Amino acid sequence: AQSVTQLGSHVSVSEGALVLLRCNYSSSVPPYLFWYVQYPNQGLQLLLKYTSAATLVKGINGFEAEFKKSETSFHLTKPSAHMSDAAEYFCAVSPSGNTPLVFGKGTRLSVIA
Amino acid sequence: KAGVTQTPRYLIKTRGQQVTLSCSPISGHRSVSWYQQTPGQGLQFLFEYFSETQRNKGNFPGRFSGRQFSNSRSEMNVSTLELGDSALYLCASRSGAHAYEQYFGPGTRLTVT
Repeated sequence: AQSVTQLGSHVSVSEGALVLLRCNYSSSVPPYLFWYVQYPNQGLQLLLKYTSAATLVKGINGFEAEFKKSETSFHLTKPSAHMSDAAEYFCAVSPSGNTPLVFGKGTRLSVIA
Repeated sequence: KAGVTQTPRYLIKTRGQQVTLSCSPISGHRSVSWYQQTPGQGLQFLFEYFSETQRNKGNFPGRFSGRQFSNSRSEMNVSTLELGDSALYLCASRSGAHAYEQYFGPGTRLTVT
């Protein structure tokens, strides 16, 4: 069965600092991987997706993620945090891209001025 | 293009009652999925409908059911509500059965007392 582990339920960074949110997956087949963001009282917004093309994926709002098969990881990064990045971030995996998403538990990002 | 809409946004019900939640997908999207979000269990897949047929079903009891209409609008129903059914119910749509990107609505916050 597919599963996703997000290391750290809460990450706090200073404004302007590097953002690194960790995601490791388990999958018996090459997976499709996604990062979503959720702002308070809102639904999920897709940040980026990996669909077996380029291993470095660029998304919206300056975020990017790198697929590393050897490490079964898909960590999310942003060079410089903004106050507006404070939200909950979810990593998700899908066996074939169009099957139900399996989500990690989420990481809450706080940005300190 | 309008996003995914869910009604109502907030709902309070009493244990033992039943509830129906509604989801209107993005215009032209034919696939609708439902997810339950709770602090303890995180985001869990409920079911997916495509062209009025259930394609996938998650591991939830039979009290949870859904359907999709010919205009792609979907409803989910929960009968005999339990306190543990209190959650944010998210609906997501995608353009077709093989599309990767899911677009989420703002959710319906259900509180069972």
